[in-house]
Amino acid sequence: SQQGEEDPQALSIQEGENATMNCSYKTSINNLQWYRQNSGRGLVHLILIRSNEREKHSGRLRVTLDTSKKSSSLLITASRAADTASYFCATDGDSSYKLIFGSGTRLLVRP
Amino acid sequence: GAVVSQHPSRVICKSGTSVKIECRSLDFQATTMFWYRQFPKQSLMLMATSNEGSKATYEQGVEKDKFLINHASLTLSTLTVTSAHPEDSSFYICSASWTGIETQYFGPGTRLLVL
Repeated sequence: SQQGEEDPQALSIQEGENATMNCSYKTSINNLQWYRQNSGRGLVHLILIRSNEREKHSGRLRVTLDTSKKSSSLLITASRAADTASYFCATDGDSSYKLIFGSGTRLLVRP
Repeated sequence: GAVVSQHPSRVICKSGTSVKIECRSLDFQATTMFWYRQFPKQSLMLMATSNEGSKATYEQGVEKDKFLINHASLTLSTLTVTSAHPEDSSFYICSASWTGIETQYFGPGTRLLVL
């Protein structure tokens, strides 16, 4: 079953703007990961944040994690048309190596 | 590094036939492989987890006799959809990982259409 929900379900922004996506989950976690999926393709790992971390950066990506609220956010700064994709958060399930995916946010960056 | 391939990328078959999908890790040894199913504009649903040389662990609600998984080597896992029906039409994605890491590396997916 899905771990949680992502919000918004869809987001449309202009190139150069920032995009923020939120993810909520239900159970305790060891880590939370964000993945990107281009239409009709597989997923690409973006970033992993551990339960004892609050914020992590990677290039134009910034991820926050609030374990008290069981939520995470992904911020993409200075978006580009090439960032158009679906973004999924994923948490570890009842085993360390199983991933449970959120419902995803479809991001459209208009040139 | 960490490239995963899937074959075929798309397949169309008649109802009642069986379809085999291959998932290969090209540049690493995958101790664990995962199979997911994804419906249009929806999330990935984990179907099963397979470890090399042992039986796959299926998620609740996934028929093990319908979706046969074999992980015969550290670089190859196969998913066979037996006696496929139109409701089995979906996007099937595999991923691979190895002991000690939490990240999964995904294949490009296989689109199955059952007529």
